[in-house]
Amino acid sequence: AQSVTQLGSHVSVSEGALVLLRCNYSSSVPPYLFWYVQYPNQGLQLLLKYTSAATLVKGINGFEAEFKKSETSFHLTKPSAHMSDAAEYFCAVNPVETGRRALTFGSGTRLQVQP
Amino acid sequence: DGGITQSPKYLFRKEGQNVTLSCEQNLNHDAMYWYRQDPGQGLRLIYYSQIVNDFQKGDIAEGYSVSREKKESFPLTVTSAQKNPTAFYLCASSMPGQHNGYTFGSGTRLTVV
Repeated sequence: AQSVTQLGSHVSVSEGALVLLRCNYSSSVPPYLFWYVQYPNQGLQLLLKYTSAATLVKGINGFEAEFKKSETSFHLTKPSAHMSDAAEYFCAVNPVETGRRALTFGSGTRLQVQP
Repeated sequence: DGGITQSPKYLFRKEGQNVTLSCEQNLNHDAMYWYRQDPGQGLRLIYYSQIVNDFQKGDIAEGYSVSREKKESFPLTVTSAQKNPTAFYLCASSMPGQHNGYTFGSGTRLTVV
């Protein structure tokens, strides 16, 4: 079954530093991939998605992600972290080759931003 | 404004009781989903529905039931058969198509006392 793996359950960066959150997928066919953000006690908000139109995807709040088929990765980056970026981030996959028609989520990465 | 509403935000249940979580959307989305969130485990799919009067089990459907009698509503019942029901429950909706992202509700935190 298709899945996603998020490396690092916690990531801490300084304000102004590069943010890099890692996501790898397992699929023989490039799937649809998504990044979501969750603030405490709230639902998830879509940051960006990959749907095969372009490998570099720009999202909201200055985030972007690059789809790399050779590495089966879809890492999320932001050049300069802001205190308001502190949240939990989830990578998700919607596979194209199975009958399952619902997202599978990774276990999440909690981002801390230090002043 | 269009959106997806979950109620209540907090819910307490005694062991052995069934409880129903509400999820309503006015986005005219065809598909709706229920996920359970536990610390460190991400979101796990309970049930989903692509169309009215039809739904499919997800990865952890045991002890849960759903109905989809109206396009706007997808209530989740947590039955007494669910052995560990304390969790954060999230409802979502989307347009048809695997490329579409989901709109999430703000969640219901269920605690069994």
